[in-house]
Amino acid sequence: KQEVTQIPAALSVPEGENLVLNCSFTDSAIYNLQWFRQDPGKGLTSLLLIQSSQREQTSGRLNASLDKSSGRSTLYIAASQPGDSATYLCATTGANSKLTFGKGITLSVRP
Amino acid sequence: DTAVSQTPKYLVTQMGNDKSIKCEQNLGHDTMYWYKQDSKKFLKIMFSYNNKELIINETVPNRFSPKSPDKAHLNLHINSLELGDSAVYFCASIGGLAGSYNEQFFGPGTRLTVL
Repeated sequence: KQEVTQIPAALSVPEGENLVLNCSFTDSAIYNLQWFRQDPGKGLTSLLLIQSSQREQTSGRLNASLDKSSGRSTLYIAASQPGDSATYLCATTGANSKLTFGKGITLSVRP
Repeated sequence: DTAVSQTPKYLVTQMGNDKSIKCEQNLGHDTMYWYKQDSKKFLKIMFSYNNKELIINETVPNRFSPKSPDKAHLNLHINSLELGDSAVYFCASIGGLAGSYNEQFFGPGTRLTVL
């Protein structure tokens, strides 16, 4: 059974700082890994999807990496801004396109 | 032009009532899902349907009954609502069951509060 872990549960950084959010998973038999953003009281916004054959994906100030063999993924956010404050969730895709989510990291970027 | 839509957005009801949440996707996807996000914000899959056929049922109480009238719709009916059912329910869809390499698209969520 897949387990996805995100530590720490919360993170507070000053504006402008580069930061890394970590995600680990127990079963490396995944199709892909997705990073989502969730604002308070809102739905999920997909940020990046990394296929199992890929090592990383980039979108703007975001870069996600995947090391399937070690069961790890990171989301790198460059030059953080207060608008980046949200909860970031990672999720692995397994059989039947079933997503298994981590509990998320709540990021606060201080002006 | 919403890709995955859910109604209602908010639902407040009394314990013991029966209620339904509706989901529709206009993406032409074959597979749809229901997820539950509890008070601790943990998201967990409940059901998945592919072309109106149930393919995932994650040990959800049988008070929850998904219904898929066609592949663009997946509704969730809940009988005898309990306090613990209070959560945000998200619908999602993906193109093709074998399309596990594809991105899942999520609806905006339905916040259910049971009093």
